[in-house]
Amino acid sequence: QKEVEQDPGPLSVPEGAIVSLNCTYSNSAFQYFMWYRQYSRKGPELLMYTYSSGNKEDGRFTAQVDKSSKYISLFIRDSQPSDSATYLCAMSRIQGAQKLVFGQGTRLTINP
Amino acid sequence: GAVVSQHPSRVICKSGTSVKIECRSLDFQATTMFWYRQFPKQSLMLMATSNEGSKATYEQGVEKDKFLINHASLTLSTLTVTSAHPEDSSFYICSAKTPEKLFFGSGTQLSVL
Repeated sequence: QKEVEQDPGPLSVPEGAIVSLNCTYSNSAFQYFMWYRQYSRKGPELLMYTYSSGNKEDGRFTAQVDKSSKYISLFIRDSQPSDSATYLCAMSRIQGAQKLVFGQGTRLTINP
Repeated sequence: GAVVSQHPSRVICKSGTSVKIECRSLDFQATTMFWYRQFPKQSLMLMATSNEGSKATYEQGVEKDKFLINHASLTLSTLTVTSAHPEDSSFYICSAKTPEKLFFGSGTQLSVL
């Protein structure tokens, strides 16, 4: 079993829809959770960074962590075609950890 | 966020030649940088951890003599793919660590003919 599981998709939704991306994990020691966005042939870009359980909002993006269920989510409101990318979840046990554990990535397409 | 610059973005080389990829942290000092490899439609695979002033730490299964890493300063790490073969063709990405977060370069697409 992988430490972090993420549905690879692909996920295709119409413009304006609310998108929900999810990851589950098995290691209860993970405390820091990140979402990265990666456009094709580009390096990942840090979108959201959260610690422990709870919600964090940044513009159209909301990151949610449920440590009791070992489940994290990224919600995108009012999705735009420019949001089309691969979204990677990542997590670590300690802040500024040397190594992050990544999910497989979910390919998202927003259709105009 | 912090900026990590990676060059070149794309390189095509002949089999048997060596290729060097540079990774620079532009607005912060990074004692630790990381090198990843990514195959199409797959996640990042950590290859090695580059430590300034010391030898790199390689992940299991990664040939250190094949993938030479040099971290000569607090802002520069290089990955050299030696005697490249077609199976080395891949997308290589570096990242650099601030005390809290990890930032990535834009990646290098290596194609070995």
